[in-house]
Amino acid sequence: GAVVSQHPSRVICKSGTSVKIECRSLDFQATTMFWYRQFPKKSLMLMATSNEGSKATYEQGVEKDKFLINHASLTLSTLTVTSAHPEDSSFYICSARVTNRGDTEAFFGQGTRLTVV
Amino acid sequence: DQQVKQNSPSLSVQEGRISILNCDYTNSMFDYFLWYKKYPAEGPTFLISISSIKDKNEDGRFTVFLNKSAKHLSLHIVPSQPGDSAVYFCAASKETSGSRLTFGEGTQLTVNP
Repeated sequence: GAVVSQHPSRVICKSGTSVKIECRSLDFQATTMFWYRQFPKKSLMLMATSNEGSKATYEQGVEKDKFLINHASLTLSTLTVTSAHPEDSSFYICSARVTNRGDTEAFFGQGTRLTVV
Repeated sequence: DQQVKQNSPSLSVQEGRISILNCDYTNSMFDYFLWYKKYPAEGPTFLISISSIKDKNEDGRFTVFLNKSAKHLSLHIVPSQPGDSAVYFCAASKETSGSRLTFGEGTQLTVNP
């Protein structure tokens, strides 16, 4: 199957700093990527849809100035958590749709565990 | 508004027996359903999917059943193996939204040797 690589897998940062998470599609081009957040013992919540060459579409309640998304190429989307606070600590996961496929299957990255201290 | 629900947070079965994980949805616009398996600190791994035009899809030990009238789907794993122990997420999408998935809360499956 298609491979989506997410980096870093784990990051610890100080409160007030910014953290960038990368999501790469390794063997296919992805015009659309999705960013999810998972709270402990909770479902994966869609944060935003990242569109190559255009602005991301954020879900209701997600601060776009807080979670900056850049999809500069067909193989890379980045999520930057700006001015991170302890409540931003979570597990962030990206996914991508294979552009040439007719189905709606999404492939997921390995996830990033963010801890803000 | 939780459009996809997995009412059982956990399930424990004996190795070799059948595991049945359930999922209900409320949005009748959903037309594609998927099951993912997830280990801690990892991204979800796709297991099996089903389109709304079908009522059953089978792949090895995994079978997904869809009951559109009841807005209910289930994942059957038989025989269950200890390596199947993980959190299972049900997800749904609308064809027009691409791979924008709505997930259930997940069910922790534990298969005991």
